[in-house]
Amino acid sequence: GQQLNQSPQSMFIQEGEDVSMNCTSSSIFNTWLWYKQEPGEGPVLLIALYKAGELTSNGRLTAQFGITRKDSFLNISASIPSDVGIYFCAGLYAGGTSYGKLTFGQGTILTVHP
Amino acid sequence: DTEVTQTPKHLVMGMTNKKSLKCEQHMGHRAMYWYKQKAKKPPELMFVYSYEKLSINESVPSRFSPECPNSSLLNLHLHALQPEDSALYLCASSYSDRPNEKLFFGSGTQLSVL
Repeated sequence: GQQLNQSPQSMFIQEGEDVSMNCTSSSIFNTWLWYKQEPGEGPVLLIALYKAGELTSNGRLTAQFGITRKDSFLNISASIPSDVGIYFCAGLYAGGTSYGKLTFGQGTILTVHP
Repeated sequence: DTEVTQTPKHLVMGMTNKKSLKCEQHMGHRAMYWYKQKAKKPPELMFVYSYEKLSINESVPSRFSPECPNSSLLNLHLHALQPEDSALYLCASSYSDRPNEKLFFGSGTQLSVL
């Protein structure tokens, strides 16, 4: 099945710094989703990407769907303490036995120091 | 309204107990999902219901029994669980189970099996 390699695994940054994380796969995906999860809560959808090359922003967040359809990145500009959490990429693939299933990356744990 | 509501928020049960987790959405979504998540790991798919019919069972042990009484409700019945089943159980929904649909997650039920 599909696997997603998400990096970095964790980041410790100062408030105000920019953050970048990415996901890569050996397989193509039709949709990329980025989620943020805080302790004791479910993942919250941040950005959805549907087309290769698509660049989408949501406030201080920007994400791109790689042109090869095998990768995606998420940038957070001017980080603030409430950005703390685990960020997951997830890919949706149409085809084979993985039809309609989300494949998750392993997550990036973000810590922001005031 | 993009809310998926899960109850209870926390659940402690013994290995001989029978309990149920409940999930509700009123977004008109026709696909609903159960995921299991261990701490700091990505969610793992358990079941998918599409138009109130079970479409995917990811080889989940029979001590977990899903039920979809109607298009807005999803239950997960638990019986004779093991301590290793302790985890955050997440419900999610999407407009359909097509592979480009965004999934919206609930806040989860934190389950502890003693």
